Amino acid sequence: AQRVTQPEKLLSVFKGAPVELKCNYSYSGSPELFWYVQYSRQRLQLLLRHISRESIKGFTADLNKGETSFHLKKPFAQEEDSAMYYCALTGGSNYKLTFGKGTLLTVNP
Amino acid sequence: SAVISQKPSRDICQRGTSLTIQCQVDSQVTMMFWYRQQPGQSLTLIATANQGSEATYESGFVIDKFPISRPNLTFSTLTVSNMSPEDSSIYLCSVALDGYTFGSGTRLTVV
Repeated sequence: AQRVTQPEKLLSVFKGAPVELKCNYSYSGSPELFWYVQYSRQRLQLLLRHISRESIKGFTADLNKGETSFHLKKPFAQEEDSAMYYCALTGGSNYKLTFGKGTLLTVNP
Repeated sequence: SAVISQKPSRDICQRGTSLTIQCQVDSQVTMMFWYRQQPGQSLTLIATANQGSEATYESGFVIDKFPISRPNLTFSTLTVSNMSPEDSSIYLCSVALDGYTFGSGTRLTVV
């Protein structure tokens, strides 16, 4: 079974502070991990995926297979980063995407 | 990137009635996915819809309650049948393109 855990339901930081949104997963094979973001009143959109190893909007995430983690990081948070963030996993041939419960990030001025 | 059009965007329905949600993609895709997002909750996969075959439902979801059609490679519908207030949720369709792309969702309220 595949499972994604986001331990923080809410996270609040000040503008300019570093931010880390935690994500741990459980999967027996080789997973593909994603971070999705949902800004207020907007649709869910892909932020980044581990296979592309890109940095989007200053966010990065490294897959740590030893710790089964895929934490999302940004060195200097901006107010426009305030949103709901979901970590998700897929693996195998069924392409089924499993989501964590999400973390609501608030960046205060 | 893929563009998904989903409608209606929202609806308020009477209990006991049914609502059909439509999802149109601008690319041909083999699999389309339907999710439910209950208030304050994360997304839960309802079913996977393959063109030319019966949809595959996840545990807790049945075809009689959520019948799905997939007539071609760019279109799918999800029907929420015999609705009750517990069905009040956001329903989203998704395709496995560009790292999974999602529709804007249908916000359903059952009264």
